[in-house]
Amino acid sequence: EAQVTQNPRYLITVTGKKLTVTCSQNMNHEYMSWYRQDPGLGLRQIYYSMNVEVTDKGDVPEGYKVSRKEKRNFPLILESPSPNQTSLYFCASSLTVTSGNTIYFGEGSWLTVV
Amino acid sequence: GNSVTQMEGPVTLSEEAFLTINCTYTATGYPSLFWYVQYPGEGLQLLLKATKADDKGSNKGFEATYRKETTSFHLEKGSVQVSDSAVYFCALYSGGSNYKLTFGKGTLLTVNP
Repeated sequence: EAQVTQNPRYLITVTGKKLTVTCSQNMNHEYMSWYRQDPGLGLRQIYYSMNVEVTDKGDVPEGYKVSRKEKRNFPLILESPSPNQTSLYFCASSLTVTSGNTIYFGEGSWLTVV
Repeated sequence: GNSVTQMEGPVTLSEEAFLTINCTYTATGYPSLFWYVQYPGEGLQLLLKATKADDKGSNKGFEATYRKETTSFHLEKGSVQVSDSAVYFCALYSGGSNYKLTFGKGTLLTVNP
């Protein structure tokens, strides 16, 4: 089954404690991306990756890092989380960057920073 | 820049009622348009899409037509069910190497028996 898998699904953490949200896809997709969803703001892109070792900033990259060492994995790293990073995070993937290709989303990761 | 505006929610309907969720957009060029649905506790699922003007996307009884002249992509369903209760997002992609989807703020639909 085609899947984008995120972990953890739910996490409460404290300010400043580094954390990583993992994302893995089993569809051999080249493109992967991270979004955050906040009430009244919809979804906003954090980072994206066109392929292995190729990453770039989206609209709201501050406070986040990513890496793409393998095609299937695209972890989101919060080096020093702050309360304003409390949000619902979605990982997404697509075969390539071509209009018409479907973008698949993971189930989301609820992150609370206290 | 690109933007998507969809009707404010929440929308509450009775089962078998007709549904319309309005969506209008601003974009350069000829964007592809999408409706995504988020059921309670789940991730985003692509509901339907249209990639050029006058295309109609359809799935699970939902339909939306790409209207370039009115820059709209309204979601419709003739008879909603309780299981359609979810948050619906309109989105567009207008090209670019980041393949970024621009989303509307989402519309919460609740269908009562």
